[in-house]
Amino acid sequence: GESVGLHLPTLSVQEGDNSIINCAYSNSASDYFIWYKQESGKGPQFIIDIRSNMDKRQGQRVTVLLNKTVKHLSLQIAATQPGDSAVYFCAEIFGNEKLTFGTGTRLTIIP
Amino acid sequence: ETGVTQTPRHLVMGMTNKKSLKCEQHLGHNAMYWYKQSAKKPLELMFVYNFKEQTENNSVPSRFSPECPNSSHLFLHLHTLQPEDSALYLCASSQQAGGGTDTQYFGPGTRLTVL
Repeated sequence: GESVGLHLPTLSVQEGDNSIINCAYSNSASDYFIWYKQESGKGPQFIIDIRSNMDKRQGQRVTVLLNKTVKHLSLQIAATQPGDSAVYFCAEIFGNEKLTFGTGTRLTIIP
Repeated sequence: ETGVTQTPRHLVMGMTNKKSLKCEQHLGHNAMYWYKQSAKKPLELMFVYNFKEQTENNSVPSRFSPECPNSSHLFLHLHTLQPEDSALYLCASSQQAGGGTDTQYFGPGTRLTVL
């Protein structure tokens, strides 16, 4: 499944499939990006980050891709599990400025 | 757990009440933050403290009063709130504010309801 971030706030994916959550960021000069996961009743949890001098970074079952040309960030989750159900936020930062968060995408895993 | 704790987890208060939210971080960080999270809105930064000094007040009404006695503790004092102040209030910490690639770690939040 694939979302377009702020314009499609929900995404449903079959358990075991891969998920792609997209985010369009606003500042072309932003140099650091973070993906957060927020489960119901909890605060946002750091998942993975990437600096602007990279195009791709991999973690455990997650990959973040950065396309600076179109100011686009995506989070790929491999083999989604029920525990992946949450709201996912991207955040950007420029220099020493504060983090700017998106509104998030709610990911629902269908058993 | 993220190492950032918040109490209480839930709070219901009347508009004339005075209450306080507490945040404690066990990560050895020097910066602490208060955010407001309302439904279908991005996280709103309220206050930033760096080495116990307030470095940012994001045009927050005076009915919200922060206090940072040391780098590990942060309070948000509430008085004469309005129903529209009902939200999830999140505390976060990082190594230091304005650190560029400095990641913020969040607590579980306090769900506040103002009647």
